[in-house]
Amino acid sequence: EPEVTQTPSHQVTQMGQEVILRCVPISNHLYFYWYRQILGQKVEFLVSFYNNEISEKSEIFDDQFSVERPDGSNFTLKIRSTKLEDSAMYFCASRMTSGSFETQYFGPGTRLLVL
Amino acid sequence: SQKIEQNSEALNIQEGKTATLTCNYTNYSPAYLQWYRQDPGRGPVFLLLIRENEKEKRKERLKVTFDTTLKQSLFHITASQPADSATYLCALPMDSNYQLIWGAGTKLIIKP
Repeated sequence: EPEVTQTPSHQVTQMGQEVILRCVPISNHLYFYWYRQILGQKVEFLVSFYNNEISEKSEIFDDQFSVERPDGSNFTLKIRSTKLEDSAMYFCASRMTSGSFETQYFGPGTRLLVL
Repeated sequence: SQKIEQNSEALNIQEGKTATLTCNYTNYSPAYLQWYRQDPGRGPVFLLLIRENEKEKRKERLKVTFDTTLKQSLFHITASQPADSATYLCALPMDSNYQLIWGAGTKLIIKP
């Protein structure tokens, strides 16, 4: 069964460093999402991406964040200058169509720790 | 603003019994509601979607109800097993692009 994959599974970085989290969505999916989950807290929406551009973003997704689909398969989240509070699990998700009842499939997540 | 509430306390259920989890929402009229399972350190796994015009949905031992008047969904696991132990999240779509907003999840523990 196709699945969303994410790399790395864990990332430790120093405050102020840039990190790139990578995702490979399911191959025929068209809509892509990033969510984050701070330890013990709710899953939070960051950004949605369709047709090579951001379609929606939350207040969390400030200028420090960017997303890119550099080729036909990868979908990346970049955090330019990490802060301690960026420590969280980051989940990528993808969805096939614009149908409102189409579910999102989640990757296993990248655990980011900013020291 | 929209709010989703799930019982934050862990739910302990004896194996074989039915577990019932609750999701309440306010200031919102979603077209559908979804339930996910999340194991520690893992991403959410989709379980069931129920539309606003559906009262009940079943999948094997799982049953979801959706009461748009009460603004509540109930999630049932019948004949529960220790392997059902996990955190269960409800999620609703926001407006366009169907970004999901999430409840905090309820941790379910099935005791053998």
